[in-house]
Amino acid sequence: NAGVMQNPRHLVRRRGQEARLRCSPMKGHSHVYWYRQLPEEGLKFMVYLQKENIIDESGMPKERFSAEFPKEGPSILRIQQVVRGDSAAYFCASSPTPAGSTDTQYFGPGTRLTVL
Amino acid sequence: AQSVTQLDSQVPVFEEAPVELRCNYSSSVSVYLFWYVQYPNQGLQLLLKYLSGSTLVKGINGFEAEFNKSQTSFHLRKPSVHISDTAEYFCAVKAAGNKLTFGGGTRVLVKP
Repeated sequence: NAGVMQNPRHLVRRRGQEARLRCSPMKGHSHVYWYRQLPEEGLKFMVYLQKENIIDESGMPKERFSAEFPKEGPSILRIQQVVRGDSAAYFCASSPTPAGSTDTQYFGPGTRLTVL
Repeated sequence: AQSVTQLDSQVPVFEEAPVELRCNYSSSVSVYLFWYVQYPNQGLQLLLKYLSGSTLVKGINGFEAEFNKSQTSFHLRKPSVHISDTAEYFCAVKAAGNKLTFGGGTRVLVKP
């Protein structure tokens, strides 16, 4: 059973470009979470999605960031007009359905975004 | 809202010595508690979790943690560390809803 897949593993963008990060959850998981890890810090929650629904986006910056989890295909975290402060590791996690608060979240290897 | 404090940002330890990583949390509601390990340039791997029941939880790689409700702590221990335990360790809590709240992490450096 493949784990959570994220691609690309490393992404370099210049200021003002767009970054698209992809996450494929574990087989049978329909709940996806995105976290951001800034240098020398712990992980911070960004957004929680189910298929075609955003459940909790309380950790998302108000501008330039968006996330989706379509009926088919991976979840996408999109950052428009990137700035140097967006440089971080972005981790995706998934949990099984039906969701319950005891479910373990399984993490992917992360995408390391560098903004030049 | 919940918060998690990991009191030690770095813990150097000699191989085969014991190690304890401290984690304290604050929450107005019951929480579930987790420890994750992050090896260099990798994602997070679950070490162990406390959901209910026995307050002493055993995890993978010889780690264990004890939940202390009165002290709102969930300290992680290993009686004898290996070089391969060099990594960063994160304590996390989850209350109602599904998001995890993480501590700042503790870097463990195991020296020969």
